[in-house]
Amino acid sequence: NAGVTQTPKFRVLKTGQSMTLLCAQDMNHEYMYWYRQDPGMGLRLIHYSVGEGTTAKGEVPDGYNVSRLKKQNFLLGLESAAPSQTSVYFCASSWDGRGFDYEQYFGPGTRLTVT
Amino acid sequence: EDQVTQSPEALRLQEGESSSLNCSYTVSGLRGLFWYRQDPGKGPEFLFTLYSAGEEKEKERLKATLTKKESFLHITAPKPEDSATYLCAAQETGGGNKLTFGTGTQLKVEL
Repeated sequence: NAGVTQTPKFRVLKTGQSMTLLCAQDMNHEYMYWYRQDPGMGLRLIHYSVGEGTTAKGEVPDGYNVSRLKKQNFLLGLESAAPSQTSVYFCASSWDGRGFDYEQYFGPGTRLTVT
Repeated sequence: EDQVTQSPEALRLQEGESSSLNCSYTVSGLRGLFWYRQDPGKGPEFLFTLYSAGEEKEKERLKATLTKKESFLHITAPKPEDSATYLCAAQETGGGNKLTFGTGTQLKVEL
């Protein structure tokens, strides 16, 4: 099993450009999450999904959109990138908890720089 | 508002010098307290989940404990390969299994 994979690993954008980050998991997990990690701020939840076709806002959703068209994929979009979105982005997935533990499994991250 | 605070921010130990990392949390209803290890340039790696006060879990040189307000990660006789950032996260009861993370303790173990 590959676990949680993220594409791309690195990206540099100019202010105003758009991009999509792709997350894929092969563990048949129901729940998926997008976080950003900034120095001194810890991991902060952007958006999450509790199943195919569902999405919900996390702590810092502004400037991002997400879609979960297939159970194994969770996409994070930036429509008009800003320098404040320079960060490392992590995707995670977990079971829904019913009959299983709740821990989240993380991908390797995408390092995004917006100039 | 849920809060998770970790201390110290950074810790430098000699090989074999045992110590503890602290995680204090404020959540309205705790479902679980999670510990992760993060190496530079990598994603967090799951270590433990604790569900109730008094619970303890061990893995090699690491032992995690939980009280009603805090969790501790005890590191016994650490080795240089234990150097990493250790993150704790609280999960409250409710939908989505969302985690609130602390900012981490950066551990450096020297020979």
